[in-house]
Amino acid sequence: QLQLQESGPGLVKPSETLSLTCTVSGGSISSSNYYWTWIRQPPGKGLEWIGGMYYSGNTYYNPSLNSRVTISVDTSNNQFSLKLSSVTAADTAVYYCASLLSDNISSRLDYWGQGTLVTVSS
Amino acid sequence: DIQMTQSPSSLSASVGDRVTITCRASQSISSYLNWYQQKPGKGPKLLIYAASSLQSGVPSRFSGSGSGTDFTLTISSLQPEDFAAYYCQQSYSTPPTFGQGTRLEIK
Repeated sequence: QLQLQESGPGLVKPSETLSLTCTVSGGSISSSNYYWTWIRQPPGKGLEWIGGMYYSGNTYYNPSLNSRVTISVDTSNNQFSLKLSSVTAADTAVYYCASLLSDNISSRLDYWGQGTLVTVSS
Repeated sequence: DIQMTQSPSSLSASVGDRVTITCRASQSISSYLNWYQQKPGKGPKLLIYAASSLQSGVPSRFSGSGSGTDFTLTISSLQPEDFAAYYCQQSYSTPPTFGQGTRLEIK
């Protein structure tokens, strides 16, 4: 069973770049069945899909964030990362990493990290 | 983007009650609908995928039904550990989108 753990700064200044890493254990990030994703949840609000990446390099970003988002995979360390540029207070949220399993039945987020709160403030 | 609307937004119930949560999609999503449970301070947990398939390890008191635009999550007999927030999510088209959530509270 996969385990995912987010890490990174909890405080980022406005206009700077938010950087988070997700470490995957219990399985290989090179698995062809998985799409490694980031999702966020502003305080007291719902869940928003940020984007994701296959280990091979194929990526998808939410169009609402597309120009500011970069997701990358580090197969040697079994990690994947999120960079969100030009942050504002609206980017304050709990950020989750999750594994998206895709098969002939459906796509679903079967494992999640516990989340990390990132606050954007000067 | 496909809009997902859950009802009710919050619900009070007692241990042993049967509870139903509804999720409606703004367009047909076939059976590409997942349900998640989230407890405070934790990441969501997958309960149901493809509208009605029970995720491994999830108790059988949870069930899902529906297709097209209307879906339900049913908990047949509430247990103390079931008091949490529940979210639906469509995987029919990108970007995947979530309902706003239903908070299930103890009466």
